[in-house]
Amino acid sequence: SVLLYQKPNRDICQSGTSLKIQCVADSQVVSMFWYQQFQEQSLMLMATANEGSEATYESGFTKDKFPISRPNLTFSTLTVNNARPGDSSIYFCSSTSSYEQYFGPGTRLTVL
Amino acid sequence: GDQVEQSPSALSLHEGTGSALRCNFTTTMRAVQWFRKNSRGSLINLFYLASGTKENGRLKSAFDSKERYSTLHIRDAQLEDSGTYFCAAEGTEGADRLTFGKGTQLIIQP
Repeated sequence: SVLLYQKPNRDICQSGTSLKIQCVADSQVVSMFWYQQFQEQSLMLMATANEGSEATYESGFTKDKFPISRPNLTFSTLTVNNARPGDSSIYFCSSTSSYEQYFGPGTRLTVL
Repeated sequence: GDQVEQSPSALSLHEGTGSALRCNFTTTMRAVQWFRKNSRGSLINLFYLASGTKENGRLKSAFDSKERYSTLHIRDAQLEDSGTYFCAAEGTEGADRLTFGKGTQLIIQP
């Protein structure tokens, strides 16, 4: 199994600022995924990040708004650029191992 | 150990039959959510429960915080129900922190 840790647990930021969310895995994983969840709604897949290559973004999410880094097989960072109140939600990282999917505990972002 | 134990890890059903998925919790949880993964990889929210039961079409879910479990019942299974289902629970501490089960791969056979 894979344990995923996220930092920060939660954050509050002002509109127009940028915020970084970190995800660390306790073992090497090929792919990391980032999800966005508005309160009690579905987890929408934002992007898939593999080491050493550009992240692949789903419809509605862009590299300019949500740049993702994947410098090695245990780490990924999601940045929320020019944050707006509509970005207020919970962000989850996820990975797969042996056909099972694992999730971090989430980072709750509130944009004022 | 894992706070959320989801079972079974895989399940095969014939069309028209039903079964239940279950998540057991090693600690008291405040609420539970059930998701189904779609073809794009997003997890579609099926239910959010803080207690009791909810029903939506052929799906019904129950959550018992005291007994530390939640179930997702599927009846009259259809081919399109095939997919991976996850439960996720909110602990009473560290609000908004979700712990996911490992998922159940459900296959519906004709």
